[in-house]
Amino acid sequence: DQQVKQNSPSLSVQEGRISILNCDYTNSMFDYFLWYKKYPAEGPTFLISISSIKDKNEDGRFTVFLNKSAKHLSLHIVPSQPGDSAVYFCAALPRGSARQLTFGSGTQLTVLP
Amino acid sequence: DVKVTQSSRYLVKRTGEKVFLECVQDMDHENMFWYRQDPGLGLRLIYFSYDVKMKEKGDIPEGYSVSREKKERFSLILESASTNQTSMYLCASRDRVFVVGSEAFFGQGTRLTVV
Repeated sequence: DQQVKQNSPSLSVQEGRISILNCDYTNSMFDYFLWYKKYPAEGPTFLISISSIKDKNEDGRFTVFLNKSAKHLSLHIVPSQPGDSAVYFCAALPRGSARQLTFGSGTQLTVLP
Repeated sequence: DVKVTQSSRYLVKRTGEKVFLECVQDMDHENMFWYRQDPGLGLRLIYFSYDVKMKEKGDIPEGYSVSREKKERFSLILESASTNQTSMYLCASRDRVFVVGSEAFFGQGTRLTVV
């Protein structure tokens, strides 16, 4: 049973427009969420995170929104650039644990020039 | 600059071989992890270690074992490689203390093909 779900395996967006990647979770013990970006043949790199005490965190072109009541988070990229084309993974950490992250299945973002 | 290094980028092994995947981190992190990445399945945790000589099973430990004799090194062992273990293997490390921003750092990955 997947505790972190990314229901869209792929997303295509025109350069300059907004990309919105979605993630749902089922475990109410999760209280810290992260987004990772992965290029082919490379390891994932950390992009942005959000604690459950917040509903928004912004870093440059990247903003993560958290809706705890809906157990839903989203990553907004604006404006999208061709270099943003990658697989994006949502991940979650449970309260009180410094151990393993639970990842979603990933969304392949393609930004078209 | 933080660094997690996996010993091989690409490996081809035969069915039944014993395979060792090595990972070294230079950040003095307590926690180390092995994931595999498969299309449509995301990153699935195989094993993790929260201290030297300590290990815990992740979601898919069958067919794998691990070794952590030194803090900086975490090895994944495929006792008898099978074709369904063909995958991208990713090592990660993370600090013990949970503070905002203490994300996991990943190695570059090892693409293992079992023939």
